Amino acid sequence: DAMVIQNPRYQVTQFGKPVTLSCSQTLNHNVMYWYQQKSSQAPKLLFHYYDKDFNNEADTPDNFQSRRPNTSFCFLDIRSPGLGDAAMYLCATSVPTISYEQYFGPGTRLTVT
Amino acid sequence: ILNVEQSPQSLHVQEGDSTNFTCSFPSSNFYALHWYRWETAKSPEALFVMTLNGDEKKKGRISATLNTKEGYSYLYIKGSQPEDSATYLCASQADAGGTSYGKLTFGQGTILTVHP
Repeated sequence: DAMVIQNPRYQVTQFGKPVTLSCSQTLNHNVMYWYQQKSSQAPKLLFHYYDKDFNNEADTPDNFQSRRPNTSFCFLDIRSPGLGDAAMYLCATSVPTISYEQYFGPGTRLTVT
Repeated sequence: ILNVEQSPQSLHVQEGDSTNFTCSFPSSNFYALHWYRWETAKSPEALFVMTLNGDEKKKGRISATLNTKEGYSYLYIKGSQPEDSATYLCASQADAGGTSYGKLTFGQGTILTVHP
């Protein structure tokens, strides 16, 4: 089935140790998004791509970077994770039609020790 | 209202009860309102996307209404079942495209638990 896949589902990293989360999609959607959801809070958009066009949210910390080498894959790099970066990270895709319905992966739960 | 707000934060009901929850969103520059259901260990799943004032959508026992003038949406579940237990997220979309590309602003969700 076509879907959005996130690996790993659970990631533990050490304080300050770079970590990469990955997202892949078989939907061939143009737009890909990364959201961060901290406990009991609303998912917050970090950045999104329209094809190769990268759009960073104004309040996304510089510590967070993203790469999209092709349509299918998108990566979230956290250069120096802090304890405050522990969260659920959701990847989503969409087709730029009028509704912009988004298709989500199951998320990666990041723990920082 | 500046942010998307959902109430209640959590809800416990008995199987067979009908329930509803609320999403409030900024009414200015509104384009669409999305509802998602997020079951534990699964991906958030789109339920409805609504754009017009007065819109009503229905999927099985779940329905939603939209009031864009006052900035709120209700989600209703009729005859709740244990499998309805999930977090229900709403999200406001302020632009149809351009550089926003469907950018969504989410509420914090309503956690529904349906007890057998």
